[in-house]
Amino acid sequence: DIQMTQSPSSLSASVGDRVTISCRANQSISAYHLHWYQHKPGKAPKLLIYAASSLQSGVPSRFSGSASGTDFTLTINSLQPEDFATYYCQQKTFGPGTKVDIK
Amino acid sequence: QVHLVQSGAEVKKPGASVKVSCKASGYTFTAYGISWVRQAPGQGLEWMGWISAYNGYTNYEQKFQGRVTMTTDTSTSTAYMELRSLRSDDTAVYSCARDLARTPLESNAFDIWGQGTMVTVSS
Repeated sequence: DIQMTQSPSSLSASVGDRVTISCRANQSISAYHLHWYQHKPGKAPKLLIYAASSLQSGVPSRFSGSASGTDFTLTINSLQPEDFATYYCQQKTFGPGTKVDIK
Repeated sequence: QVHLVQSGAEVKKPGASVKVSCKASGYTFTAYGISWVRQAPGQGLEWMGWISAYNGYTNYEQKFQGRVTMTTDTSTSTAYMELRSLRSDDTAVYSCARDLARTPLESNAFDIWGQGTMVTVSS
């Protein structure tokens, strides 16, 4: 089975910061199958990035994704107050999540 | 508008079964799949499996094989997830999501989600 890991598991950041979250698969996967979600408590998860680097419709352009082999990265440029949430990568199964909170 | 509306909260005893429904509206039901995802209290998101609303083909996460059944009723645009032999660690919010994969070869990305159904397993 493909296992996804994420780092860090949590981070503290300030509004305006640039944040990067990493996701790694334990075996080779196509970038086509890697997606990123934002999840806030009590709300449904929100698809941010699909196929590693494609921005989902309606998602602000400060979110971006990239891929390099089995390593995938979600970048949030100029963190906004509404961005504090948990972020998951997903290839069918989900990574363990990265919680982004306010410094 | 595209919506997925799930059935209400359930309380079940250990060993029982639960069946959660997910009614779709605002899009062609058979053009997509439906995945089911759960989140136990304090835990992350867990993918349970996928069903093609196009042809009923399923793909279950190995952990749930033999205990879960996913079905669809295309006449009512409704998907169902039944989980059997419930245990206390099945207590979770269960969510359906519109899956962009209509066939097993396509990528499972979830763009529309239901509101979630709380399932509590307790004696």
